[in-house]
Amino acid sequence: GAGVSQSPRYKVAKRGQDVALRCDPISGHVSLFWYQQALGQGPEFLTYFQNEAQLDKSGLPSDRFFAERPEGSVSTLKIQRTQQEDSAVYLCASTADRVSYEQYFGPGTRLTVT
Amino acid sequence: AQSVTQLGSHVSVSEGALVLLRCNYSSSVPPYLFWYVQYPNQGLQLLLKYTSAATLVKGINGFEAEFKKSETSFHLTKPSAHMSDAAEYFCAVSVAGADGLTFGKGTHLIIQP
Repeated sequence: GAGVSQSPRYKVAKRGQDVALRCDPISGHVSLFWYQQALGQGPEFLTYFQNEAQLDKSGLPSDRFFAERPEGSVSTLKIQRTQQEDSAVYLCASTADRVSYEQYFGPGTRLTVT
Repeated sequence: AQSVTQLGSHVSVSEGALVLLRCNYSSSVPPYLFWYVQYPNQGLQLLLKYTSAATLVKGINGFEAEFKKSETSFHLTKPSAHMSDAAEYFCAVSVAGADGLTFGKGTHLIIQP
């Protein structure tokens, strides 16, 4: 079956540009998570949705980062006015329901800001 | 707040030898603990999880981990390393099981032929 997919897989942006990263979770999965993984580091939690509700956005590093999941399925992570420190792999994960512990990860989007 | 420390950013073992990857956690409440593996240019795959049931947890690909509350540890082991085990391994913790994970910095496992 289809897993979590993310697009684009690679994105190069010039500093100051806005970018939008897409995540398609496994069909029917209730919860969706975004993580940021800097080079040589572990993933860091950004934000979490349960259906269309954003329940936790404590990990978003600045107000330039915005995430949405308007219909409770596909999610978009938007970064405005990108900075070099935003360069990282952005990972999306989903879980089947409110009590599932296993997060299924997508392959990530590698963002490079030049 | 919870945290994870993985000792050793790189671990090298010979094929057929024991694999031991160390993970220590900090949590103010009983934790849920996970080990994930990441192959190059791929997402993370769950190896095993501890969710307050048995303290010795068996996972995929012959890996297992033991939760030791007194040592706040959750070390990952495999009796005999295989070349295909070469990858990046991450230990992670959450306090409510279904919320966002806090990851360690990862351990790169190298398998020598």
